[in-house]
This record gives sequence, C-alpha cells and structure tokens, in this order.
Amino acid sequence: DAGVIQSPRHEVTEMGQEVTLRCKPISGHNSLFWYRQTMMRGLELLIYFNNNVPIDDSGMPEDRFSAKMPNASFSTLKIQPSEPRDSAVYFCASSLTFGLGENEQFFGPGTRLTVL
Amino acid sequence: DAKTTQPPSMDCAEGRAANLPCNHSTISGNEYVYWYRQIHSQGPQYIIHGLKNNETNEMASLIITEDRKSSTLILPHATLRDTAVYYCIVRVYNNAGNMLTFGGGTRLMVKP
Repeated sequence: DAGVIQSPRHEVTEMGQEVTLRCKPISGHNSLFWYRQTMMRGLELLIYFNNNVPIDDSGMPEDRFSAKMPNASFSTLKIQPSEPRDSAVYFCASSLTFGLGENEQFFGPGTRLTVL
Repeated sequence: DAKTTQPPSMDCAEGRAANLPCNHSTISGNEYVYWYRQIHSQGPQYIIHGLKNNETNEMASLIITEDRKSSTLILPHATLRDTAVYYCIVRVYNNAGNMLTFGGGTRLMVKP
C-alpha cells in the first residue's frame, strides 16, 4: 500500500489566495483526520471524518477553513482567503475504526504551506 | 482526555536503551496510553499503546505503573534513526471518536 498520500507537498501562495490541500487515505480506512503543525502551537487536530461524515470540526480555526470528503478515497482542506498565520505543515491521517477495535492512525507526509 | 507531562528533551547513546517517561496522574479507568513519534519532516508514526498491562512489539516496550499514573516507553537498543520527538497521549478507546491530542512531546537525541 502507498500509505496516505497528500498533495501538494509544498505550497507557496500570497495572502488572500485560495489554497486547496488534498488527501487520499489508505484504501479500506474509514476515518480521516486533518492536523496542522506549527512551532508555536504544536500538532493540532482540525477536523475528523468517519465514513465520509464530519464528526468533529471544533478544531477548525475559523470560517476561512473548510473540509470535505466526497468519497472514501479523497478529502480536501480549503483555506479561503489565506493569511500568513495559516503558514504551517498540514497533515492528513487515516485509520480503520470499528467498534472498540484497533484504530492506529497512519499519517501522510504533510503539506508545507507558506502564505506570503 | 487526561493531560500528560513529558520531559522536553533527552539524550541516549547509540546501542543503549532509551527510557522515555510520561506522567498522566489524572488518567481515568477507561483511558489508554498511546505513544507516537515524529521523525524530522515526517508525519507522526504509531509506536505502541496499552491500558494496564505492559506491552511489547517489534518497535518498543511500554511499562505502565500499577496505579497507571505514569508510564515509560523503552527503546531497547536505540539507533541514530530513533532520533525523533516522542509523544505520549492518553485517550479513551471507543468507537465514538478516534481523536488524538498531541502535547509537546520529548525530543530524543540518539548520539553515536
């Protein structure tokens, strides 16, 4: 398996532009997570999907951020408009969640976003 | 989820055992202890988890005290590639959610 795939790996954009980050979870996994990592705040959970449905989006910083999961194999995190303080590494993770079963999270390589 | 406390950094000599402590004094009876690590510029990687009993896998061993208020992750023979930030996370293990709350972690430096 290729693992969790994220694209792009690096993104540089100007303030005010729309940014879309993409994630392909591991095939067969039914949970997907978006995290953000900065030096100041560490690793923060933004939103969590289970069976393509958003379960908890309390970590989404504000309305400029939105996430979708149209099917089991694809998710997007969109920032519109972007601001310099959104600069961070964004990680996507997936897991297989069932009942009380094992649900280790597998992380992608991350997207490093720089907003100028 | 219960809060965890870890030392910010530790050193270990290559080939020696690395013992990473974690305090979780407010842990509840249904909360598990998870360990992840993050090697520079990569996403976090699952290592091990446990509830009450000590656990061992191909990567590490997890020792949980009898009162469950602290635990130790043991890398038996540390290599240079084990240099990373190690996160101790305490969370409920159920089907309602699978959210991980990462703290500051311990930056382990394995030296030759």
